[in-house]
Amino acid sequence: DTGVSQDPRHKITKRGQNVTFRCDPISEHNRLYWYRQTLGQGPEFLTYFQNEAQLEKSRLLSDRFSAERPKGSFSTLEIQRTEQGDSAMYLCASSMAGQGAGEQYFGPGTRLTVT
Amino acid sequence: SQELEQSPQSLIVQEGKNLTINCTSSKTLYGLYWYKQKYGEGLIFLMMLQKGGEEKSHEKITAKLDEKKQQSSLHITASQPSHAGIYLCGAYPLSSGSARQLTFGSGTQLTVLP
Repeated sequence: DTGVSQDPRHKITKRGQNVTFRCDPISEHNRLYWYRQTLGQGPEFLTYFQNEAQLEKSRLLSDRFSAERPKGSFSTLEIQRTEQGDSAMYLCASSMAGQGAGEQYFGPGTRLTVT
Repeated sequence: SQELEQSPQSLIVQEGKNLTINCTSSKTLYGLYWYKQKYGEGLIFLMMLQKGGEEKSHEKITAKLDEKKQQSSLHITASQPSHAGIYLCGAYPLSSGSARQLTFGSGTQLTVLP
């Protein structure tokens, strides 16, 4: 297994367009997380799945954001009607339930630029 | 909410020098995690500390958690250009509200000059 992968790595979109990102976690990991990171800041938690269930959502996740993990494997994060403030790095991480808490393995991220 | 403050924000050292990065919490930490991030890339897990007074080492990097579990330090001995990057500390909130969302500090940008 090569680790957590994310696609695309970079996305440039115009304000008002919808975008969708994909995350493929480490295959045996049943927990999946989305974070957002802006320049000069640490990642901020967005949402968390255990298997296909979305168990936690941050207040940062406005109603324009939706995340899914339909079969408990890969996940998608969609942003509707993008705004310039959505420009950030979107990071996905995965972990195994019962594993030492905190050992989340991160993907390379998707950098979103909204023009 | 739990805040993590890192210092310094940036650090430039000559290759071969030792350095220390600090991470301070306003609340007792449930656990403290150190990650390294290359610019524009994902985070690489370095170490996890849970017990007060705990110290762990990996190659030339040593991390410590104080007895009160409110402060952690990351020490690099004989720094190399490969150590360059952004070092982030992360922790889970002590409250039972969530044991899964990591809260991160803003990071320390380390540059090692050859």
